[in-house]
Amino acid sequence: AQSVTQLGSHVSVSEGALVLLRCNYSSSVPPYLFWYVQYPNQGLQLLLKYTSAATLVKGINGFEAEFKKSETSFHLTKPSAHMSDAAEYFCAVSASSNDYKLSFGAGTTVTVRA
Amino acid sequence: GAGVSQSPSNKVTEKGKDVELRCDPISGHTALYWYRQSLGQGLEFLIYFQGNSAPDKSGLPSDRFSAERTGGSVSTLTIQRTQQEDSAVYLCASSLGLASGELFFGEGSRLTVL
Repeated sequence: AQSVTQLGSHVSVSEGALVLLRCNYSSSVPPYLFWYVQYPNQGLQLLLKYTSAATLVKGINGFEAEFKKSETSFHLTKPSAHMSDAAEYFCAVSASSNDYKLSFGAGTTVTVRA
Repeated sequence: GAGVSQSPSNKVTEKGKDVELRCDPISGHTALYWYRQSLGQGLEFLIYFQGNSAPDKSGLPSDRFSAERTGGSVSTLTIQRTQQEDSAVYLCASSLGLASGELFFGEGSRLTVL
């Protein structure tokens, strides 16, 4: 079975600082990994996904994530935080492109200080 | 429609009452999913529909929970004899078949059981 663990339920960063959100996965097969973002009072939307192509994946709004098999990690980063990045971020995993059941982490809430 | 639509957005009910939550997916999306988001926890998979059939109901917490989908479109999640532990945000998502994890989420229905 696949699962993900997000380290840190809350992250606070200053505007312009690096955003780093940690996600470690557990999977018996090469995983498909995703980051979703949920802005206040909105549904989740896909930020980026890893599907066994390039290990460095670029997403929307300047976010990127790197798949590291040796560390079983898929951390999300953004070089310079913007106030609009305040949201909740979820890491998710599935076993394949045809696996309908995504397993989500508990989420990390990001606050951005002016 | 333009996005996944869920209703009601908020529902407060008394313990023991039945509730129905509705999801209207994106037009043309054949796959539909229900997840539950409880405070401080990740998204918990409930059920998945491909067309009108539900191949996987394993996530439904108890026999008080049921869901149906008609016409390959609208889905209803029904909770009978609600309990306080049912309080959560119920999220619906849809996708173009098994779309490699790219789920499109609604804004959710927040259920509070008093």
